[in-house]
Amino acid sequence: AQTVTQSQPEMSVQEAETVTLSCTYDTSENNYYLFWYKQPPSRQMILVIRQEAYKQQNATENRFSVNFQKAAKSFSLKISDSQLGDTAMYFCAFPHAGNQFYFGTGTSLTVIP
Amino acid sequence: GAGVSQSPSNKVTEKGKDVELRCDPISGHTALYWYRQRLGQGLEFLIYFQGNSAPDKSGLPSDRFSAERTGESVSTLTIQRTQQEDSAVYLCASSFSGMDTQYFGPGTRLTVL
Repeated sequence: AQTVTQSQPEMSVQEAETVTLSCTYDTSENNYYLFWYKQPPSRQMILVIRQEAYKQQNATENRFSVNFQKAAKSFSLKISDSQLGDTAMYFCAFPHAGNQFYFGTGTSLTVIP
Repeated sequence: GAGVSQSPSNKVTEKGKDVELRCDPISGHTALYWYRQRLGQGLEFLIYFQGNSAPDKSGLPSDRFSAERTGESVSTLTIQRTQQEDSAVYLCASSFSGMDTQYFGPGTRLTVL
């Protein structure tokens, strides 16, 4: 079975601080992608960052970076220098064989001014 | 360029009526996905199209749900004999290929009275 688990339903962080959102997944595949998506209160889902499983180097996009541990099947998202606009739901996602995308239940992040 | 668009943005219907939701993907995207998102919850995969064929329909909740896609263009999700539990936001996403980054539309909020 393919599952994605986000164990933190809600988190908060002070503006300018760093926060890490966790995600674990289960798969028997060897080559795959992992994604973090953000859904602000306006509800349109947008990509934050993606990681190819065959790459050992962790992906980085400006203030967003991942800690990908393939053996542990862990894919956490680190947000540095948090900004008010980072307040949103964050979903970890994992595609299975290009057909189904599994999304976690989400982490609601609030950035406190 | 234009992103993924969905119509209508909101739909209120009476129990037992049929509804049709439309998704216009990004031009050139061969893959198209439909998801359901209930209030405060994550995304539930419904169906995936590669071109105009749907290799995986296992996510459709019941036989009241059906979807079509014309070529690599518009897709419609039809819900027949709507029930109150069908109330949710229905999200559409498209991507260049099945494993690639998905681009989401703004969603259709369906309310069944």
